[in-house]
Amino acid sequence: EVQLVESGGGLVQPGGSLRLSCSGSGFTFSTYWMAWVRQAPGKGLEWVANIKQDGSEQYYMDSVKGRFTISRDNAKNSLYLQMSSLRVEDTAVFYCAGGSGWLIQHWGQGTLVTVSS
Amino acid sequence: EIVLTQSPGTLSLSPGERATLSCRASQSVPRNFLAWYQQKPGQAPRLLIFGASNRATGIPDRFSGSGSGTDFTLTISRLEPEDFAVYYCQQYATSPLTFGGGTKVEIK
Repeated sequence: EVQLVESGGGLVQPGGSLRLSCSGSGFTFSTYWMAWVRQAPGKGLEWVANIKQDGSEQYYMDSVKGRFTISRDNAKNSLYLQMSSLRVEDTAVFYCAGGSGWLIQHWGQGTLVTVSS
Repeated sequence: EIVLTQSPGTLSLSPGERATLSCRASQSVPRNFLAWYQQKPGQAPRLLIFGASNRATGIPDRFSGSGSGTDFTLTISRLEPEDFAVYYCQQYATSPLTFGGGTKVEIK
């Protein structure tokens, strides 16, 4: 069974930084494109970033470019999202997700990031 | 950027009825790389349909997807109590990946 488990969420002040982690199991992590998708409270889903199997390509939504960095460590079956210059509007549940190509087949349960003073 | 517009915003139906959800794209979705997801309160989304019309593993056959180009439809042939949820379409053909705003299927 595919499992994705996120960690690292919490409360951070505007302008602060946070690093999210995601641990994968039950599948060959190194063969999946991986992604972060977020959902603000009471709102819809919003793709944030994704990364190729070997980490050689990354793509970001415009509003996080230059502030967020997606990375992975296939030896540790882990995905990361380094977030800096956080804004109130970044408050959301962040889901780790992955699949074949850019299709998102599997999702974690999410970790809540709250940006507030 | 491909903008996806879902309609209606809310669908009020009774168990056993048929649900028809629409997703319209601002431009043609290459290779019909259009997916549908179901999300229940407090849960992560679940993949239902990919490639516009292919059911994901374990998805009941009362769920079906159709359409191509810019117009796509998710049909639930007979609503079961567990089907009341929010449904999102998503295109995964071009970056940025985009989601529709969602359709809530609620019990009438």
